[in-house]
Amino acid sequence: DAKTTQPTSMDCAEGRAANLPCNHSTISGNEYVYWYRQIHSQGPQYIIHGLKNNETNEMASLIITEDRKSSTLILPHATLRDTAVYYCIVRSNNNAGNMLTFGGGTRLMVKP
Amino acid sequence: GAGVSQSPSNKVTEKGKDVELRCDPISGHTALYWYRQSLGQGLEFLIYFQGNSAPDKSGLPSDRFSAERTGGSVSTLTIQRTQQEDSAVYLCASSLVTSGRGNEQFFGPGTRLTVL
Repeated sequence: DAKTTQPTSMDCAEGRAANLPCNHSTISGNEYVYWYRQIHSQGPQYIIHGLKNNETNEMASLIITEDRKSSTLILPHATLRDTAVYYCIVRSNNNAGNMLTFGGGTRLMVKP
Repeated sequence: GAGVSQSPSNKVTEKGKDVELRCDPISGHTALYWYRQSLGQGLEFLIYFQGNSAPDKSGLPSDRFSAERTGGSVSTLTIQRTQQEDSAVYLCASSLVTSGRGNEQFFGPGTRLTVL
């Protein structure tokens, strides 16, 4: 799987949009971008994933650049409960049993 | 609907004892994964199941670790003769399929194992 690079930490004011960047310049054509988060003392939580088109669900939006070398996860109205470590992962959807490998992630702190 | 559940949530044991950790995946999910996470560390893959079979056991740290899955549902991870370095949070995840659409993994809350 391609390597990803994320900032170590970010702060966001409650109610504002949180924009979390991820670089994946070595991504290959069949690799998807996945985002998970892990709130303290909980298991990781799936957020969203995409290939090349922008995606939106009830939790977040995923914006992928045209060259697919970077992406941004957007939490439109961050709440205190969104404080967590956010992991950007690049993986192929074609490999059976492809386990997840988390890097360092971005520690997002949502402040009142 | 119900998510992935794990039991016990916490387990404290003495060095040398055996422990058994249980995972109930989301109903209908064919794939099941075991990971562990040491304090402040990332996920370490242990093993995954497709149905009842485990095609990839490469992540098991030693022969003291074993896992099984019966009926394509519940899985148990067994650690024999526990050591202090086995202390970690053991996480279970399940997915509808292992590849293609629907392979996003959903995690349980984990079992925190402490070996004294």
